[in-house]
Amino acid sequence: AQTVTQSQPEMSVQEAETVTLSCTYDTSESDYYLFWYKQPPSRQMILVIRQEAYKQQNATENRFSVNFQKAAKSFSLKISDSQLGDAAMYFCAYRSGNTNAGKSTFGDGTTLTVKP
Amino acid sequence: EADIYQTPRYLVIGTGKKITLECSQTMGHDKMYWYQQDPGMELHLIHYSYGVNSTEKGDLSSESTVSRIRTEHFPLTLESARPSHTSQYLCASSAPDHGPSNYGYTFGSGTRLTVV
Repeated sequence: AQTVTQSQPEMSVQEAETVTLSCTYDTSESDYYLFWYKQPPSRQMILVIRQEAYKQQNATENRFSVNFQKAAKSFSLKISDSQLGDAAMYFCAYRSGNTNAGKSTFGDGTTLTVKP
Repeated sequence: EADIYQTPRYLVIGTGKKITLECSQTMGHDKMYWYQQDPGMELHLIHYSYGVNSTEKGDLSSESTVSRIRTEHFPLTLESARPSHTSQYLCASSAPDHGPSNYGYTFGSGTRLTVV
């Protein structure tokens, strides 16, 4: 079974600075997808960014980018120019590409605090 | 704006009561999921569905049951609620694998259940 590990339960960043959230995963599959989700306090969880394992290029969505190291099974999220609205719990997730179920395995989450 | 709706948002109910948590989506997604999330903690998959009349148990054992009679509707039922069922329940759906979507989940706002 796949596992996802987020080693940083809590992180903080100064507004306008850059922060990197870590994620590692364990799998024997070659076809899979990785995601970062954001869950603001008492609000809906939303997808931030995704990465297909077969793509070498790191995904980027505006201020959010990933550092995907397939051999190391590492998938970190970088948030640039942090904003107060970025404060949330961030979950890293893994989804196998070999099944039709589309189930995702989530990490324990990292709580990000943004200081004004 | 959410395309997947969960009701109720909050529910406090007595031990032994039967409850149904509603989840509906308007996106025509075949795959739907129920996750259980304790406060500030990871998500655990309890049920999922490939499509109409298809339901499967997830990785975390749960006393709840689900049904999928219509594509858009995926309710979760607890026949006899207990304090150990107190948690947040998140419903999600996923677009077809080879469509224009991003393979990620769309989440509902969640139902926070308290059993007293």
